[in-house]
Amino acid sequence: KNQVEQSPQSLIILEGKNCTLQCNYTVSPFSNLRWYKQDTGRGPVSLTIMTFSENTKSNRRYTATLDADTKQSSLHITASQLSDSASYICVVSAQDSSYKLIFGSGTRLLVRP
Amino acid sequence: DADVTQTPRNRITKTGKRIMLECSQTKGHDRMYWYRQDPGLGLRLIYYSFDVKDINKGEISDGYSVSRQAQAKFSLSLESAIPNQTALYFCATSDAGLAGARGSYNEQFFGPGTRLTVL
Repeated sequence: KNQVEQSPQSLIILEGKNCTLQCNYTVSPFSNLRWYKQDTGRGPVSLTIMTFSENTKSNRRYTATLDADTKQSSLHITASQLSDSASYICVVSAQDSSYKLIFGSGTRLLVRP
Repeated sequence: DADVTQTPRNRITKTGKRIMLECSQTKGHDRMYWYRQDPGLGLRLIYYSFDVKDINKGEISDGYSVSRQAQAKFSLSLESAIPNQTALYFCATSDAGLAGARGSYNEQFFGPGTRLTVL
């Protein structure tokens, strides 16, 4: 069964600190992996999208990595800001149905002053 | 103006009532989707449409129906709402992407969501 699991479920860090969120998936055949940021009461917004040939991708202070062999991805946030407080959702799609996204349940991040 | 809009943003209704959630987009995308989000769960696909004449069930379509009135409009209906349909509902759009190409993707753009409460 295609699944996406994220850890931790929630995380609290101090402003300015770094953090890493984890994503494991069992989707096959793999097409691409995305990280979304979802602010409270808002829709998810894409941070990065990586295909099988990409193992790292950066977007400002966000760096995503992908290991297609171990089926793991991470999202590293550098020098966190209060505005980084949100849920971060890992999403994977399969080659045979790339429009059908398999969503993780998200990691809720709280950045405190 | 937002590219993907949803109305209403919040709705409280009673069991048995008919409810319609509406989605409009100005991105010019052919594909539109309806998802629901429940606490502790990932988003789940309810229905999707590749064009005005192509509508497909997602993984949790029971109790829901949809209408694609135009390329830019996709509405979700709950014919007889029940309490376990209380959730956040999101509409999304995408283009067709590179169909069949390995590693292809079609990025989905989400609306702001509708919070529905069924009492």
